[in-house]
Amino acid sequence: EPEVTQTPSHQVTQMGQEVILRCVPISNHLYFYWYRQILGQKVEFLVSFYNNEISEKSEIFDDQFSVERPDGSNFTLKIRSTKLEDSAMYFCASGTGLGTEAFFGQGTRLTVV
Amino acid sequence: QKEVEQDPGPLSVPEGAIVSLNCTYSNSAFQYFMWYRQYSRKGPELLMYTYSSGNKEDGRFTAQVDKSSKYISLFIRDSQPSDSATYLCAMSGSTNAGKSTFGDGTTLTVKP
Repeated sequence: EPEVTQTPSHQVTQMGQEVILRCVPISNHLYFYWYRQILGQKVEFLVSFYNNEISEKSEIFDDQFSVERPDGSNFTLKIRSTKLEDSAMYFCASGTGLGTEAFFGQGTRLTVV
Repeated sequence: QKEVEQDPGPLSVPEGAIVSLNCTYSNSAFQYFMWYRQYSRKGPELLMYTYSSGNKEDGRFTAQVDKSSKYISLFIRDSQPSDSATYLCAMSGSTNAGKSTFGDGTTLTVKP
């Protein structure tokens, strides 16, 4: 069964460093998303990406964040100058169309120390 | 008022019980309604997806959407210990580029 894969599963980084979280969406999907979940809190939307551009972003997704689809299979989230409060699970998801169900990866646990 | 309200529980039931999980929402633009199951420190797993009002059944799971009341439900029949997880409702509208708004999640424990 096709699935969204994310690497690494766990990333520890020092405050102020840049991190890149990687995702391989399901191959025939066209819409890609990043969500985050701070421990004990709800899943929060960060950004959606379609046709090689951001289609919507939340207020969380500020200039510290960027997304990229560098080739036909990968979808990345870059966080510049990480802060302690960026520590969370980051989930990549993909879907076939607007409003359709999104399929989530297993997440990358980011720990900023 | 939160856009999506979900009772966090915890909810504990005996094996075999019927479980009812619910969410209410305030945004009338929501048209797509999802239920996800999440095990600890794992990604949300899609269980049910419904468009607009109505019922949808898949095995032991039934999803109901009542847009007039802004209320959605997930029923689990013949609950099993393996159903123990956190259940998340999520919703999106047709004009917001796939952004889903999640509830806080309800933690369910099914006791053998």
